Amino acid sequence: EAAVTQSPRNKVAVTGGKVTLSCNQTNNHNNMYWYRQDTGHGLRLIHYSYGAGSTEKGDIPDGYKASRPSQENFSLILELATPSQTSVYFCASGAGGDYAEQFFGPGTRLTVL
Amino acid sequence: AQKVTQTQTSISVVEKTTVTMDCVYETRDSSYFLFWYKQTASGEIVFLIRQDSYKKENATVGHYSLNFQKPKSSIGLIITATQIEDSAVYFCAIPSNYNVLYFGSGTKLTVEP
Repeated sequence: EAAVTQSPRNKVAVTGGKVTLSCNQTNNHNNMYWYRQDTGHGLRLIHYSYGAGSTEKGDIPDGYKASRPSQENFSLILELATPSQTSVYFCASGAGGDYAEQFFGPGTRLTVL
Repeated sequence: AQKVTQTQTSISVVEKTTVTMDCVYETRDSSYFLFWYKQTASGEIVFLIRQDSYKKENATVGHYSLNFQKPKSSIGLIITATQIEDSAVYFCAIPSNYNVLYFGSGTKLTVEP
């Protein structure tokens, strides 16, 4: 079974609307991450968490909030969605230590009209 | 801050040949790991192989190997006996605090029959 799942897989939102992207992991990893992928930019970090109750800003946090209510769940929240936030969003989990690989979810394609 | 650069946007090879993808990185850390990930056409992102900067031996996993040249801050990915299913986008990455990954922009590999 997939260890990192994301919902929804596709989302169309209107400008100014609120969007919540959800991520669940069954790896029992402390660390979780939200990235966005745009053509020519690879993956860029939005927010990350090192445990339940913690959220930290990544490189491009503006316009995004994050929530980590439990070890398993990590949400990305767009309070006022804008067309520039149209992208593919990936959630990942990883164990502690810089030797540890990350496990990625299948991605969520978000279109903001 | 960590930085990764992949200058090859795309590469096309014939099946069963060997291909090398380049990656250069920047870090102030004296000890670090380097990672390669693969993104398939379906969007799935999976971990391929890692290199410990303290090890002189190049990492090898299956038909994937690395060419680690620490003085040049270079970590190339070598795929031998390429197969059609190796067609994908390959990302080089280096971790920072809490294993946050910094990715290159990726190299798209096309393996043709």
